[in-house]
Amino acid sequence: AQTVTQSQPEMSVQEAETVTLSCTYDTSESDYYLFWYKQPPSRQMILVIRQEAYKQQNATENRFSVNFQKAAKSFSLKISDSQLGDAAMYFCAYPSSNTGKLIFGQGTTLQVKP
Amino acid sequence: DARVTQTPRHKVTEMGQEVTMRCQPILGHNTVFWYRQTMMQGLELLAYFRNRAPLDDSGMPKDRFSAEMPDATLATLKIQPSEPRDSAVYFCASGLLLGGYTFGSGTRLTVV
Repeated sequence: AQTVTQSQPEMSVQEAETVTLSCTYDTSESDYYLFWYKQPPSRQMILVIRQEAYKQQNATENRFSVNFQKAAKSFSLKISDSQLGDAAMYFCAYPSSNTGKLIFGQGTTLQVKP
Repeated sequence: DARVTQTPRHKVTEMGQEVTMRCQPILGHNTVFWYRQTMMQGLELLAYFRNRAPLDDSGMPKDRFSAEMPDATLATLKIQPSEPRDSAVYFCASGLLLGGYTFGSGTRLTVV
């Protein structure tokens, strides 16, 4: 069965510092995508970054980058120069290539301290 | 920017009443999801469609929930009869297979 696991229910970071959120997944598929979504207090789900499994290069979007380790089935999100607006719940998500079903991890609540 | 539109944004209803939530997916997106979010259970997949055909609704309580896509511009989620335990935020999302999925703003349902 395909699963996504986020083992850190809560994380905190000092403003301007760097934080890494962890995500592991399990799948037997060889080609797939992985996503990180951000959900601020407004509850809107916002796509932060996307990684294609067949690409060896880690995806980057401004201050957000991923560390994708395909063999280890690990997909962590690094936020550099953390800002107060980064405070939110972050979800790792995996869409099954076969079914299209979008599977979410449990979420990590990130607190940014001024 | 294209958006997924959900209505209503908020709904308060009495136990036993029918509730209908609507979603307008982004034009051209062929996959539509319904999720429910609660503090206790997190994000639960209720049902999803591809090209308007239901693919999986195993996450939905069949006796009271139903999901349909009468056309490509409308997806509906109905609860009849509603119960207090149905209180949650319900999200609709649309996208293309293996693309990034766009979420609506959600419907906050309170059943009293």
